[in-house]
Amino acid sequence: VQLVESGGVVVQPGGSLRLSCAASGFTFNIYTMHWVRQAPGKGLEWISLIDGEGTTYYADSVKGRFTISRDNSKNSVYLQMNSVRTEDTALYYCSKEHSTGWPNLDCWGQGTLVTVAS
Amino acid sequence: SSELTQDPAVSVALGQTVRITCQGDSLRNFYASWYQQKPGQAPVLVIYGKTSRPSGIPDRFSASSSGNTASLTITGAQAEDEADYYCNSRDSSGNHVVFGGGTRLTVL
Repeated sequence: VQLVESGGVVVQPGGSLRLSCAASGFTFNIYTMHWVRQAPGKGLEWISLIDGEGTTYYADSVKGRFTISRDNSKNSVYLQMNSVRTEDTALYYCSKEHSTGWPNLDCWGQGTLVTVAS
Repeated sequence: SSELTQDPAVSVALGQTVRITCQGDSLRNFYASWYQQKPGQAPVLVIYGKTSRPSGIPDRFSASSSGNTASLTITGAQAEDEADYYCNSRDSSGNHVVFGGGTRLTVL
């Protein structure tokens, strides 16, 4: 089981970017996938989830700005980030729910770094 | 409330037992999961459900819960257990995930 994130860059406040997470080693389409972020030196913050049928939920801190999506044909999940703010600077992890369901997250990628700065 | 509260730091002598706690209203209805994160690494699930451990997690890790408080216990702490520990659960609505602020465990 492997998750590999990509797409992290340095972006200006108000800008946009899309993160990707490529999954392998498991039946991707039946699992709920999550994005979790960690600001430098801070704790974990849950951002969003998408289940196998496409139902989505968001943390209040990103609702209306971020959009999670998935492409089961490509075993990938995405996070479209719009109107980014300096406080969105963080390492963004993609994670997979355990077979017993979420919030048990049993596989994590190594993260992709997003820096919001002018 | 959708918050989970953890003590920022805890220490334990090598080989002794330590308990890390997580408090929140949602824990009255949902189990907590526990994660270990070492510097520069992604989190690792160590406890899920009531008291289950993923394959490869030593049995010195255990969990319990009472009321609005969940606890992770390490019995016979080892040097390699020094890490940050996070709890998570669903929030009171059941539709979101919430993490505790994390507890830094130092093994003396």
